[in-house]
Amino acid sequence: SAVISQKPSRDICQRGTSLTIQCQVDSQVTMMFWYRQQPGQSLTLIATANQGSEATYESGFVIDKFPISRPNLTFSTLTVSNMSPEDSSIYLCSGRMGGRGDTQYFGPGTRLTVL
Amino acid sequence: GDSVTQMEGPVTLSEEAFLTINCTYTATGYPSLFWYVQYPGEGLQLLLKATKADDKGSNKGFEATYRKETTSFHLEKGSVQVSDSAVYFCALSDPYGNNRLAFGKGNQVVVIP
Repeated sequence: SAVISQKPSRDICQRGTSLTIQCQVDSQVTMMFWYRQQPGQSLTLIATANQGSEATYESGFVIDKFPISRPNLTFSTLTVSNMSPEDSSIYLCSGRMGGRGDTQYFGPGTRLTVL
Repeated sequence: GDSVTQMEGPVTLSEEAFLTINCTYTATGYPSLFWYVQYPGEGLQLLLKATKADDKGSNKGFEATYRKETTSFHLEKGSVQVSDSAVYFCALSDPYGNNRLAFGKGNQVVVIP
């Protein structure tokens, strides 16, 4: 199994600023992902974080708005840039060790409120 | 693309009642199927999974069977407890898309003593 931690757990930010969320996994994982969970909604995949290369973004998400880094197999960051109130959400990091049937583990989430 | 559909609306039931949450999926390949649970104020936890047709996942009294013929993975529990109050998400792992997860909308389950 894998234990995933995120920092910060929550933040309140002003419009136009940026926030970087850190994700740390306690063991090496092959895949890492970033999701957004808007209030009362399901999870939407933002991107797959690729080690040492640019992340793979889902439709509707772009690198300029959500730059992602993954310098090694256990750490990744997501930045929410030039924030607006519509970015208020929970952002979750997840990791998976193996292939299709392997469990995907989730961090506790970062609750972001943009004023 | 691959998608997951869960029944609409919250589910409210009394303690010791039988719980069913419906989940159907659309997939081009042979996905793995998962149920995740989110307790109030916490992150997602894997509840159970099934990786091929006719597999039954089970955990904490919950069960779900991978039904390829009906493309379903309904979650059941015979006797719920107040501690089962949570949001339940059905998900599939897309084998043609880096095995990333696609989630259903989730169902809020409230168990009343």
